[in-house]
Amino acid sequence: EVQLVESGGGLVQSGGSLRLSCAASGFSFSTSAMHWVRQAPGKGLECVSAINYNGVSTYYANSVKGRFTISRDNSKNTLFLQMGSLRPEDMAVYYCARFSGVAIDYWGQGTLVTVSA
Amino acid sequence: EIVLTQSPATLSLSPGDRVSLSCRASQGISSYLAWYQQKPGQAPRLLIYDASNRATGIPARFSGSGSGTDFALTISSLEPEDFAVYYCQQRSNWPFTFGPGTKVDIK
Repeated sequence: EVQLVESGGGLVQSGGSLRLSCAASGFSFSTSAMHWVRQAPGKGLECVSAINYNGVSTYYANSVKGRFTISRDNSKNTLFLQMGSLRPEDMAVYYCARFSGVAIDYWGQGTLVTVSA
Repeated sequence: EIVLTQSPATLSLSPGDRVSLSCRASQGISSYLAWYQQKPGQAPRLLIYDASNRATGIPARFSGSGSGTDFALTISSLEPEDFAVYYCQQRSNWPFTFGPGTKVDIK
């Protein structure tokens, strides 16, 4: 069974930092591209960052570029999102997701990041 | 950045109804479009990829069509579990943008 389990969310002050983790199991993590997708309360979905299977190529939405860093540890089947200079508008549920090459086929349950002004 | 527009924002329908949801891209994206369903408190679920291919385990009442800039998701006969929000997403260019969603609720 595929599992993506996020952790690391919580309450942080504006300007602060947070590191999200995603533990993957049940599929070949080391050959999979991975994404972080967020959803602000009551709002739609936003793809904020992506990383290819070996970590060489990374991608960021303009809204987080220069503040967030995506990385992975294939030896531990774990995906990370280091978030810095957090703003109130970064408050959202952050989903870890596997990109199959054509679509996001597996999603975690999400972790909530709350940013206080 | 490619902008996806979904219409309508909300639809009020009854079980058994047929529904078509629209997704329009601001520029041509070939067939690089996926559809997702999201229910309250849950992560999205993949329904359709590459415009018209059903994902594993998705019932045949869901179908997708379109290419270029205009796409549709059709549900041939709504089941009670189909009342949810539906999002389209393009993978033609990074960032892989989503549409704002269409909420299908019970009349």
